[in-house]
Amino acid sequence: DIQMTQSPSSLSASVGDRVTITCRASQTIGNYLNWYQQKPGKAPKVLIYATSTLQSGVPSRFSGSGSRTDFTLTISSVQPEDFATYYCQQSYNSDTFGQGTKLEIK
Amino acid sequence: QITLKESGPTLVKPTQTLTLTCTFSGFSLTTSGVGVGWIRQAPGKALEWLAVIYWDDDKRYNPSLGTRLTITKDTSKNQVVLTMTNMDPVDTATYYCAHRLITMVRGAKFYWFDPWGQGTLVTVSS
Repeated sequence: DIQMTQSPSSLSASVGDRVTITCRASQTIGNYLNWYQQKPGKAPKVLIYATSTLQSGVPSRFSGSGSRTDFTLTISSVQPEDFATYYCQQSYNSDTFGQGTKLEIK
Repeated sequence: QITLKESGPTLVKPTQTLTLTCTFSGFSLTTSGVGVGWIRQAPGKALEWLAVIYWDDDKRYNPSLGTRLTITKDTSKNQVVLTMTNMDPVDTATYYCAHRLITMVRGAKFYWFDPWGQGTLVTVSS
């Protein structure tokens, strides 16, 4: 099984900060990495798929990069509506989600 | 517009079998490249992928759940059914179904879950 490890598990940021979340796969997954945003009480929504492709309607302040085993999600300037939990997911071999990163207001 | 909605019991007893139904609209599970998956989330915990079924009846399961899971589709009703046997209190979670479409990106096939249903909370307790 492929394990996905996100870091940090939580972070505090102020509006306007640049934020980076890391996701590491236990083995190479090529570019088969997706990022989701989940707000309390709501279903997750895909932000980025195939490592770096922004889902339609997602603000350009979100970006993704990486390959093989190491990936990052970056928010260039955090907005109030971005405070949520973020999950990475590999789809290289079945599916596995990371443990999540909670982005909180500082 | 694609929509999905989960339905099933809100409370099951330990050792019982859970049956959940995902009813969807806006797409067909007879279309090449289309799939429907199930994902769950225990209270305050991370997402856990359970299973996925594709248009060609290919089925994939989370190996950690072994033979407890069965996923089937009824294309005439636009439904996907997930059964989970031998339920335990640790299986208490919100269960989501979600659409997936195999899509060509930069010359390769990729897939993700989008959109998701609203989820249904299942509590396992005697």
